[in-house]
Amino acid sequence: AQKVTQAQTEISVVEKEDVTLDCVYETRDTTYYLFWYKQPPSGELVFLIRRNSFDEQNEISGRYSWNFQKSTSSFNFTITASQVVDSAVYFCALGTYKYIFGTGTRLKVLA
Amino acid sequence: GAVVSQHPSRVICKSGTSVKIECRSLDFQATTMFWYRQFPKKSLMLMATSNEGSKATYEQGVEKDKFLINHASLTLSTLTVTSAHPEDSSFYICSALEGVGEQYFGPGTRLTVT
Repeated sequence: AQKVTQAQTEISVVEKEDVTLDCVYETRDTTYYLFWYKQPPSGELVFLIRRNSFDEQNEISGRYSWNFQKSTSSFNFTITASQVVDSAVYFCALGTYKYIFGTGTRLKVLA
Repeated sequence: GAVVSQHPSRVICKSGTSVKIECRSLDFQATTMFWYRQFPKKSLMLMATSNEGSKATYEQGVEKDKFLINHASLTLSTLTVTSAHPEDSSFYICSALEGVGEQYFGPGTRLTVT
């Protein structure tokens, strides 16, 4: 069975701090995709990244970076120099056809 | 990027009535769409897979007679909550599958049953 675990329910940081959101997954598939989505209070899911299971290169996009490690089945997300606008719920997801979502991490960035 | 719309964005209905939610892929054709449900402060739970021209596939525990899904065209899937009750109040999100492996999500519909 597939599973996505986001152990951090809620994180609070002060603006400009770096923060890492953890994601651990389980799957028996050899080919799969991993995703991160942001869900602001409006509810709309904002796509952040998709990573192929064969591509373990870390990725950086502005203040966002992702660390994919197959050996530990983890796909962690780091926000550098956090801002108040980063406050949202962040979901990690796993899948190819159907997606399995983690329970989400609520990030609060305090001014 | 691909755009998926949902209508309505918010709906309030009385217990016992039915409500229909539309999910449209605006700039691509989607033979497969998905319907998710999200309770407050909870994760997204897949309800069903909607396939154009065939019956939807429901996840375990989802009542297919309560949540009717119709995927009549390559750009439209509808979810009808029949005989709605307050416990059906939730945030419903659809997604459309473009090509291979990438789902594009709609903005969601907030249903409140009074």
